[in-house]
Amino acid sequence: AQSVTQPDIHITVSEGASLELRCNYSYGATPYLFWYVQSPGQGLQLLLKYFSGDTLVQGIKGFEAEFKRSQSSFNLRKPSVHWSDAAEYFCAVVNTGNQFYFGTGTSLTVIP
Amino acid sequence: GAGVSQSPRYKVAKRGQDVALRCDPISGHVSLFWYQQALGQGPEFLTYFQNEAQLDKSGLPSDRFFAERPEGSVSTLKIQRTQQEDSAVYLCASSLMGTGDKGQPQHFGDGTRLSIL
Repeated sequence: AQSVTQPDIHITVSEGASLELRCNYSYGATPYLFWYVQSPGQGLQLLLKYFSGDTLVQGIKGFEAEFKRSQSSFNLRKPSVHWSDAAEYFCAVVNTGNQFYFGTGTSLTVIP
Repeated sequence: GAGVSQSPRYKVAKRGQDVALRCDPISGHVSLFWYQQALGQGPEFLTYFQNEAQLDKSGLPSDRFFAERPEGSVSTLKIQRTQQEDSAVYLCASSLMGTGDKGQPQHFGDGTRLSIL
């Protein structure tokens, strides 16, 4: 069965510091993977997606993610965090029926 | 409109009342999804439509939950005889293509926050 684990419930980083949010997936076939961001009271906004090809994918707002099949991971990174990046981040894997399975999310706090 | 629109944004109901939540997807989007997001959790799948056909309702928690999309555009999620455990944010998402195009990004609305007293 497909599932996503986000091990870190909450992360705090200083503005300007680098960021890595972890995501591990379980899926029998080649996974389609996504990262979404959710600001308080808002819906989810797509940051980036991986289907195939280059394992390092670039997204919006300076985010990138690297797919590592051997580790079943799809970690999200940003070299320099901005205060506006504070939000909830969700990793998701999609099955053959286009049904998304989301992780429980990682809450990011950015301190000045 | 430019994005997925959900109404109302907030709904408070007494236990036992029926509620109806509306989703207006992006124009032309074939697929429509409903999710339930409990506090501190990720969205959990409820049901999926391709045009007017409800292809998957495996995530609906009980027969008190009912969804429809009669003309293949606007969708309504109805909850009958609401219970306190129904309190959550209900998210609607739409995507351009059907299930044959696995991995189409889903575009989310801002959700309806339902509180059952």
